[in-house]
Amino acid sequence: DAGITQSPRHKVTETGTPVTLRCHQTENHRYMYWYRQDPGHGLRLIHYSYGVKDTDKGEVSDGYSVSRSKTEDFLLTLESATSSQTSVYFCAISKLGQPNTEAFFGQGTRLTVV
Amino acid sequence: GQQLNQSPQSMFIQEGEDVSMNCTSSSIFNTWLWYKQDPGEGPVLLIALYKAGELTSNGRLTAQFGITRKDSFLNISASIPSDVGIYFCAGQLRSGGSNYKLTFGKGTLLTVNP
Repeated sequence: DAGITQSPRHKVTETGTPVTLRCHQTENHRYMYWYRQDPGHGLRLIHYSYGVKDTDKGEVSDGYSVSRSKTEDFLLTLESATSSQTSVYFCAISKLGQPNTEAFFGQGTRLTVV
Repeated sequence: GQQLNQSPQSMFIQEGEDVSMNCTSSSIFNTWLWYKQDPGEGPVLLIALYKAGELTSNGRLTAQFGITRKDSFLNISASIPSDVGIYFCAGQLRSGGSNYKLTFGKGTLLTVNP
């Protein structure tokens, strides 16, 4: 394993409630990503971070916010969960931009919004 | 945003057959990555490519970075049942300044019949 821990691994929540997913790394990588995976859509980037307090939007960022207050943690928050946000969420880390860089994934968080 | 077109979407093959899948883009990438995802798991990196024209093997897997830097392919020789899964390509490009972004194809679902 590449030293990435996602928590929780599974969560069921009600529509309208806030939800926070956590990604923790022990690799000291600069880049961290949040993706969602849905049938027929592959992996879609929600937000990513290129350093502490430095984040940017991905292609499906509406309804999501992120925070990175320290290198090892990247939090994804659904301010008011909706059923369309039922998905599997993956965190990834990378040293992108440097020679021989690779991106490594966590094991995913399955979120169900009822 | 940048898009990667991955094909085919799915493949059904007999054990022992060779497999080929590819990704194309309208953008130039400086890194190509190939991943495999097993059910219930996060994607796992198979092969990383860093130079145009580069051909890299990992056991029965061979991948190439296209000369134009806009495409890549992955070949699997003599397929076995454990090759079943979803295969993703990913491309890295500079998104501005010193920041980079990783974009994924939608995946190829491979089924191997024993």
